[in-house]
Amino acid sequence: AQTVTQSQPEMSVQEAETVTLSCTYDTSESDYYLFWYKQPPSRQMILVIRQEAYKQQNATENRFSVNFQKAAKSFSLKISDSQLGDAAMYFCAYRRIRGGADGLTFGKGTHLIIQP
Amino acid sequence: NAGVMQNPRHLVRRRGQEARLRCSPMKGHSHVYWYRQLPEEGLKFMVYLQKENIIDESGMPKERFSAEFPKEGPSILRIQQVVRGDSAAYFCASSVSGNTEAFFGQGTRLTVV
Repeated sequence: AQTVTQSQPEMSVQEAETVTLSCTYDTSESDYYLFWYKQPPSRQMILVIRQEAYKQQNATENRFSVNFQKAAKSFSLKISDSQLGDAAMYFCAYRRIRGGADGLTFGKGTHLIIQP
Repeated sequence: NAGVMQNPRHLVRRRGQEARLRCSPMKGHSHVYWYRQLPEEGLKFMVYLQKENIIDESGMPKERFSAEFPKEGPSILRIQQVVRGDSAAYFCASSVSGNTEAFFGQGTRLTVV
C-alpha cells in the first residue's frame, strides 16, 4: 500500500520569506502523480501544484515550486515570497496511474503560519 | 460552471440515526470520489464511483456505509446507525475521467451527538 508522510505538523515563516514543506512517500509503482493541496479555514481543498513521476523537470506554478527526487521518494514544496493568504493546511498527496483510477492518498498535513 | 456542490454543509445527527450526504459533481463530470477527514488528519479515500457503478470501495467501512451515484441526480453517501466515531468532514471530488484532475467540494461536516 502507498503511504505519504509529512513530518512537519507546523511551520512558520515571515511574510515575504521562503519556506519549504517536506513530503516523502512509499510506493512500488514506477509511474504515478504527486500533488500538493492547500486547505484554508474554509475547508475547500485547492490544488496548488501537480507533478507526473515520469517527468524529470520539477513543476512550478508562479510562487510555488517542487523539488521532486524520485529515487529518494521525496516531494517538497517551496513557497517563495510568502503572503498572508498562503496561511493554511498543506497536504501532500499521491495517486498511482493504472487502467482505471485510484483515489488520492494524503499525508497528515502541515499547518503553515505566516508571520506579518 | 458551478463547482462541486455538497450539501448540507453541516449535519448533526443523534447516535443511531441515519446520515445522508449529497454531492453534485461539476457539469460534464461522471466520476465521483468520497473522502473522510478526521480531526487533525489528512483525507482518507473511501469510494470511487461512476454513473450507476461502484468502481473501488476499498476505503469504505464494511458495515453501515454505502454510496451510490445514480444515472440522474447527485451521488449519495449514506451512513446508517451513526456513532460518535463517524463525526468527521466528508469531502466529495469529481472528474471528467479517471485520469484527469479531480475538483473538490467544500465538504459536509457531520457531528454525531
